[in-house]
Amino acid sequence: DAGVIQSPRHEVTEMGQEVTLRCKPISGHDYLFWYRQTMMRGLELLIYFNNNVPIDDSGMPEDRFSAKMPNASFSTLKIQPSEPRDSAVYFCASTRTGFFYEQYFGPGTRLTVT
Amino acid sequence: AQTVTQSQPEMSVQEAETVTLSCTYDTSENNYYLFWYKQPPSRQMILVIRQEAYKQQNATENRFSVNFQKAAKSFSLKISDSQLGDTAMYFCAFMKGVGNQFYFGTGTSLTVIP
Repeated sequence: DAGVIQSPRHEVTEMGQEVTLRCKPISGHDYLFWYRQTMMRGLELLIYFNNNVPIDDSGMPEDRFSAKMPNASFSTLKIQPSEPRDSAVYFCASTRTGFFYEQYFGPGTRLTVT
Repeated sequence: AQTVTQSQPEMSVQEAETVTLSCTYDTSENNYYLFWYKQPPSRQMILVIRQEAYKQQNATENRFSVNFQKAAKSFSLKISDSQLGDTAMYFCAFMKGVGNQFYFGTGTSLTVIP
């Protein structure tokens, strides 16, 4: 299996622009998680989906952030408009029911907002 | 609320020596999981070892072992025969037994010196 795939690996954008991060979970996994990693706050869960349905988005920082999962093999995290404080590494992870302790992480997207 | 504390921001060890990374946590749960994840410069999050709270026996995975002290809420990671490839950021994490959200510590940066 290719593992969790994220794109792009690096993204540099200007403040105010829209940014879209993409994730393809491992085939057969029915849970998908979006995390953000910063030096100040460490790794934080932003939102997670089960069977393509958002279950808990309490970690989403504000309305500028939105996430979708239109099908079992694709999810997006969108920031609009982006701000410098959104600069971070964003991870996607997936797992399957009954194996929550085995979350497989993607390689992350390093986002820099100037 | 669950909290995970890693009090050692940075550590170093000579190649082939043994090193122990500390982690404490706070929870009112009785059923939970504890983890150590490794994040090398590639940024990938790699599961190193997992411990179920109901198990008294400490988990072991080759050169990696844990010292799980449930009453003290302590979960340290011992790396034996350290190798250069062990150089990475190490995160301690907690997950409730019923649930699927990780709570991560702030990490310990380990450098293995040749």
